[in-house]
Amino acid sequence: QQKVQQSPESLSVPEGGMASLNCTSSDRNFQYFWWYRQHSGEGPKALMSIFSDGDKKEGRFTAHLNKASLHVSLHIRDSQPSDSALYFCAPWGNYAQGLTFGLGTRVSVFP
Amino acid sequence: EAAVTQSPRNKVAVTGGKVTLSCNQTNNHNNMYWYRQDTGHGLRLIHYSYGAGSTEKGDIPDGYKASRPSQENFSLILELATPSQTSVYFCASGDDGTGFNTQYFGPGTRLLVL
Repeated sequence: QQKVQQSPESLSVPEGGMASLNCTSSDRNFQYFWWYRQHSGEGPKALMSIFSDGDKKEGRFTAHLNKASLHVSLHIRDSQPSDSALYFCAPWGNYAQGLTFGLGTRVSVFP
Repeated sequence: EAAVTQSPRNKVAVTGGKVTLSCNQTNNHNNMYWYRQDTGHGLRLIHYSYGAGSTEKGDIPDGYKASRPSQENFSLILELATPSQTSVYFCASGDDGTGFNTQYFGPGTRLLVL
């Protein structure tokens, strides 16, 4: 079973709309959650990290973390066509080992 | 922004052949990683390194070796390639200076093993 569960698998959002992505980890040995974004044909790029309960906002992106339930969400406000991509969640502990990624949520922004 | 390059970008290999995937980073990051990406499995960690001369096994190391001859270079070696190793391979380097270990990925190598 995947250690990191992401939902939904895919999401279609109108341009200017709100996209909401969810992620739950089964690993309690973490300090941060990372969100990575991957455009087609490219490598993933770090989007943002969150390590405190509550919200963290970076531009049009807001992450919300609930450590007790090991659940993190990502909300994309005013979605743009350039936001169409595969979004990965990855919990991370305080070590230099690699990340464990979820399977991703594919976001498609339509005009 | 951190720069990670991979070569080759595309590779066709024969079953039983040897394949070497190369990765170079110019940001003096200590940590480097090899992942593979497959539909239905997401990104999975194969090997990683804390610095020149070190290699560590990740989650799916079987059938792969890694080599870190210098700070800048990290190679993934398939001694006897199999069709199940057909995948897209990503190299990444990690910035551990801040403690957040942001990982910077290369553009990927698409490997087809026939």
